[in-house]
Amino acid sequence: GAGVSQSPRYKVAKRGQDVALRCDPISGHVSLFWYQQALGQGPEFLTYFQNEAQLDKSGLPSDRFFAERPEGSVSTLKIQRTQQEDSAVYLCASSLVPSGGSGELFFGEGSRLTVL
Amino acid sequence: RKEVEQDPGPFNVPEGATVAFNCTYSNSASQSFFWYRQDCRKEPKLLMSVYSSGNEDGRFTAQLNRASQYISLLIRDSKLSDSATYLCVVLPPVSGYSTLTFGKGTMLLVSP
Repeated sequence: GAGVSQSPRYKVAKRGQDVALRCDPISGHVSLFWYQQALGQGPEFLTYFQNEAQLDKSGLPSDRFFAERPEGSVSTLKIQRTQQEDSAVYLCASSLVPSGGSGELFFGEGSRLTVL
Repeated sequence: RKEVEQDPGPFNVPEGATVAFNCTYSNSASQSFFWYRQDCRKEPKLLMSVYSSGNEDGRFTAQLNRASQYISLLIRDSKLSDSATYLCVVLPPVSGYSTLTFGKGTMLLVSP
């Protein structure tokens, strides 16, 4: 597709459920980022992939969060045993160059997670 | 001190007004700076890069002050469509690799 695609757009989970969020980046983009954006806040960095390598996962808030990009294209962010504080919009972004060094990240529309 | 700080606003201005936002960053060795725009319930999009010499794109002017560690965005002749949240973004110093850091954003509301 022409842009970054994320699914599902909306997810409601009961506390304790596991969820999986998918990101399909722009074809050929080396870098892939996951951000978490709570209401009224800016995007907070979660993790970064360069191709299939996860080079930075320092932003993942707990070991309940796990991300992968096994073939260097599609990525999945998995949250185990969801908690209410996990409720947020999860944004995926891709960039043609490593580390987003050009400054231009292309974002998907996000997956809005609500944990009840 | 947070890496990137912005006044959350909202800034309420009438159409046609000039408005300016500042953003401060903590790491003096930061290498690149950008402004992103985010409409309500939409994804962030790159508005413009910020160059050391300052740069202008139509009604928008971005400036960098390395000595005081802040960047600014000036919007002239505000339009209703300028209503959005403006995110300040900083690329930290290179250390093998580095990733963009976003501020919390400044909300702008332009009224008729």
